Amino acid sequence: ETGVTQTPRHLVMGMTNKKSLKCEQHLGHNAMYWYKQSAKKPLELMFVYNFKEQTENNSVPSRFSPECPNSSHLFLHLHTLQPEDSALYLCASSHTNGLDYTGELFFGEGSRLTVL
Amino acid sequence: EDKVVQSPLSLVVHEGDTVTLNCSYEVTNFRSLLWYKQEKKAPTFLFMLTSSGIEKKSGRLSSILDKKELFSILNITATQTGDSAVYLCAVKTSYDKVIFGPGTSLSVIP
Repeated sequence: ETGVTQTPRHLVMGMTNKKSLKCEQHLGHNAMYWYKQSAKKPLELMFVYNFKEQTENNSVPSRFSPECPNSSHLFLHLHTLQPEDSALYLCASSHTNGLDYTGELFFGEGSRLTVL
Repeated sequence: EDKVVQSPLSLVVHEGDTVTLNCSYEVTNFRSLLWYKQEKKAPTFLFMLTSSGIEKKSGRLSSILDKKELFSILNITATQTGDSAVYLCAVKTSYDKVIFGPGTSLSVIP
């Protein structure tokens, strides 16, 4: 138990569906991340939210839409996905003071997404 | 473009061996380097390094950072089968962007 909870753990969706992945952290952190992990590829950074503001959008297609309503919750809205989007989606959080200190990432267990 | 490279990409050793995993990086605005262990699911944190030349240790694992040569090593002594995993190196840059390398897959055989 890392203090970062992701739901659902598994999701199967068609290319025309709309679904959302949810992440919640109970660690009092103020930075949250979405990563994509595909087979035989490095962890790919998708989005970073720092104090609820998006500070990184790593050229992610618009069919992935993040939402960070507060510093404890992060969503990834999915629509009209492609089969190549099938992967493990990992959420992480860390503590930062926005200046000179930034701590390690704590990961959730991931949401395994399959797009048919 | 920011980049993290790890070597070797895979490694098979016998129990009791000592292994050294390598991580090199080219990034702008370096803040820290992190090592993680990933077995079946979420990566678990091992070390965070911010200063050159200061070794961090945790049991049989140790790590050190060289900010001049832009690399880090992770050492595991007296390896056990439970050390089998993918070891990930990551670099944190400004605005808390964290970039991961491809990982080193370590298999420890009895």
